[in-house]
Amino acid sequence: DIVMTQSPDSLVVSLGERATINCKSSQSVLTSSNNKTYLTWYQQKPRQPPKLLIYWASTRESGVPDRFSASGSGTDFTLTINSLQAEDVAVYYCQQYYTTPHTFGQGTKLEIK
Amino acid sequence: EVQLVESGGGLVQPGGSLRLSCAVSGFNFSSSWMHWVRQPPGKGLVWVSRISSDGTSTSYADSVKGRFTISRDNAKNTVFLQMNSLRDGDTAVYYCGRYSSGYHAVDFWGQGTPVTVSS
Repeated sequence: DIVMTQSPDSLVVSLGERATINCKSSQSVLTSSNNKTYLTWYQQKPRQPPKLLIYWASTRESGVPDRFSASGSGTDFTLTINSLQAEDVAVYYCQQYYTTPHTFGQGTKLEIK
Repeated sequence: EVQLVESGGGLVQPGGSLRLSCAVSGFNFSSSWMHWVRQPPGKGLVWVSRISSDGTSTSYADSVKGRFTISRDNAKNTVFLQMNSLRDGDTAVYYCGRYSSGYHAVDFWGQGTPVTVSS
């Protein structure tokens, strides 16, 4: 199984500042057939289902504010939230869709200072 | 509007069974692969299972293999998760999700249904 490891487990950031969350996969999630990286980021607020933020490691889902950006390739990925807003308080998960089981990272809890 | 509505959760004793349903609307269900994930209380998301659009291909997490069965009825726009031999560790909120073949990711999740396994 591919192990997804996020860091940090929790993060406290001031309003208007930048939050950075890392995700590392135990093997590459790059698909050679189409050169796509099957790495996804979700946001989950309390008592809500996950919400898709980013797919293909760096492509923002429609409607997601552009303060959310992501990068990475191979096995190392980053989600960046610029100009942190109060509504960004949530747990953020990375997940790989390269192969089953489609493992998640353990989650990163983002709070406001 | 895309909608996924899970049902069938509840309280069950260890060793018991439950059948979860996920009724969908607002998209072409028969062309969509579907996934189930779960979230134990206070913990993170865990992928459980997925099924192909025609139901011929399924996959499971090792923790549920042999106990859970995913299936679908394309005529009724519904995906199911039959859960047998339930254990305390299966206690969680269960979410179904629509897989987008364009994004290679689940792009929409239902609101979830809670399952509690306890004596």
